[in-house]
Amino acid sequence: QLQLQESGPGLVKPSETLSLTCTVSGGSISSSSYYWGWIRQPPGKGLEWIGSIYYSGSTYYNPSLKSRVTISVDTSKNQFSLKLSSVTAADTAVYYCARHRGSARGTLRWFDPWGQGTLVTVSS
Amino acid sequence: QSALTQPASVSGSPGQSITISCTGTSSDVGGYNYVSWYQQHPGKAPKLMIYEVSNRPSGVPDRFSGSKSGNTASLTISGLQAEDEADYYCSSYTSSSTLVVFGGGTKLTVL
Repeated sequence: QLQLQESGPGLVKPSETLSLTCTVSGGSISSSSYYWGWIRQPPGKGLEWIGSIYYSGSTYYNPSLKSRVTISVDTSKNQFSLKLSSVTAADTAVYYCARHRGSARGTLRWFDPWGQGTLVTVSS
Repeated sequence: QSALTQPASVSGSPGQSITISCTGTSSDVGGYNYVSWYQQHPGKAPKLMIYEVSNRPSGVPDRFSGSKSGNTASLTISGLQAEDEADYYCSSYTSSSTLVVFGGGTKLTVL
């Protein structure tokens, strides 16, 4: 079945760029009707959508993070990636990747399945 | 402050039924049938339990059901079991620039 796995550094210094990759296995990232998304969860808090990308490269971002976020896709590797610049302690969170059901008109619907998540701590 | 409002906690005894509410606006919950619900056990990734208001993914017990009335969606769990104890989050598409909103989460305790 479809599986997603996040990878990347667990510790990032303030003002630097957080970079994570999500590897998709058991299916193609080039599936129609599905975007590929990033969601984060600060320790002890709720979920926050970061952004999502279609295999063609079309992206949607949370406006609250848009100025600092870049999501890209590599269909040859069945991977998509997240870059978050100028990080602060407020960006410390568990970062999840997930398949995101959506439509061409941008009605983003539900996330399934999710990766196991990776904790990224922002600290000097 | 989350865009969708959920109760912080609910509880119930084994075998009982509970309902978790998720209140939004006509721009999200009330305007579209794109409400989803997720179950999250401690230290684990969220799991999709309900999509598009009332649909259950394969493998989700039929004890879990979803509905919507106006700007409020609801998740009902009948025949509560100890393993249902977890955090539950609702989410919706929104026509605002935010596009995707989550509730603040509800902690379900099985007494």
